[in-house]
Amino acid sequence: KAGVTQTPRYLIKTRGQQVTLSCSPISGHRSVSWYQQTPGQGLQFLFEYFSETQRNKGNFPGRFSGRQFSNSRSEMNVSTLELGDSALYLCASSLSVLTDSIAYNEQFFGPGTRLTVL
Amino acid sequence: KNQVEQSPQSLIILEGKNCTLQCNYTVSPFSNLRWYKQDTGRGPVSLTIMTFSENTKSNGRYTATLDADTKQSSLHITASQLSDSASYICVVSEVGDYKLSFGAGTTVTVRA
Repeated sequence: KAGVTQTPRYLIKTRGQQVTLSCSPISGHRSVSWYQQTPGQGLQFLFEYFSETQRNKGNFPGRFSGRQFSNSRSEMNVSTLELGDSALYLCASSLSVLTDSIAYNEQFFGPGTRLTVL
Repeated sequence: KNQVEQSPQSLIILEGKNCTLQCNYTVSPFSNLRWYKQDTGRGPVSLTIMTFSENTKSNGRYTATLDADTKQSSLHITASQLSDSASYICVVSEVGDYKLSFGAGTTVTVRA
């Protein structure tokens, strides 16, 4: 199976612009999560989509939004870019795993989109 | 507030040596704990996932331990290789698995 793919891999924008990032999950995975990773803050959760519905949301301003399509592909949009939005944006698709003791979602990360805001 | 603390922040080891990374958490109710390896410029890759009933799990030269009573986990790297140079991230999940708490990571540098 192909892994999680993200496009574009690199992006340079200027302050005030908006950007749309795309994520294609592993075939059969219905959950997609987005994360922002910066050197100082580590991985921070943005939001999660499942079957086209936002199921969970982190503590980011409304400038960060997302959506999921019927084929599970997801897009993330950032409007009115700020310098502090420069980061690696990671997408992860999830597969539900059921063991003898517990159920959990195993996440598979994409390579990320490196966004630089000038 | 659920927190995950990792130590050390970074370490340098010689090729062939062993090292141990630590992860302490306050996440409750606890569901599972994961260790990820992230190479520079790439997405994290899962090394191990442990539920509350497991106290050790291995993946090749990587061995993770979990003490759910003290809320501590460790990742031991045996006979390190240059390719082990990466950031290692501890992630803890609450029951329901909808909320993950991430550690800041430990950066490991293996030198020849």
